[in-house]
Amino acid sequence: QAVVTQEPSLTVSPGGTVTLTCGSSTGAVTSGHYPSWFQQKPGQAPRTLIYDTNNKHSWTPARFSGSLLGDKGALTLSGAQPDDEADYYCMVYYTGVWVFGGGTELTVL
Amino acid sequence: QLQLQESAPKLVKPSETLSLTCSVSGGSISSRSYYWVWVRQPPGKGLEWIGSMFSRGTTYNNPSLKSRVTMSIDTSKNQFSLHLNSVTAADTAVYYCARAGGGAGCFWGQGALVTVSS
Repeated sequence: QAVVTQEPSLTVSPGGTVTLTCGSSTGAVTSGHYPSWFQQKPGQAPRTLIYDTNNKHSWTPARFSGSLLGDKGALTLSGAQPDDEADYYCMVYYTGVWVFGGGTELTVL
Repeated sequence: QLQLQESAPKLVKPSETLSLTCSVSGGSISSRSYYWVWVRQPPGKGLEWIGSMFSRGTTYNNPSLKSRVTMSIDTSKNQFSLHLNSVTAADTAVYYCARAGGGAGCFWGQGALVTVSS
């Protein structure tokens, strides 16, 4: 089974910009893997921020964006706010199979 | 507005079968545009995909759970279910259901904590 990798932790300053990445052990992450990004705060269910590489839900703040960066999926946060401190998980889709990354703990400090 | 709600026993004994149900409101579980997903999260750990089910009956399971997983859809109740047999303490987790696909994103339930213990 494929392994999806994320940065274990990242720190961003308030108002700053940070990019989280999502790599695959099978090779490049492409739009055909429909990479998605989920935000999870302590004690809460995950919330989908980005799906199918770069699509946003109605509740996704405009400061979040999804893309492909090199051979990885990417989530960029521009203008970080204290409320963005959370765990972020990417998911890569392999023909019916979901594989989550280990998550990135994002600190806004 | 689409809503998903998990229901499950809070406590299951080792070696027994864990059964969860996800009730869907604000959308039809029969829609072929979407598929239905189970994800779990052991305490303090990351998300783990359990399996996905399409309304036409196709299922995909996490190989790590081998043949312990059974999923089904009940269109009359607008629900889908997960059965995980031969549970151990390692199956203690918050279990989430979700709807995905159709280019419409992914909607999650609020989760249900299930503890496996004698």
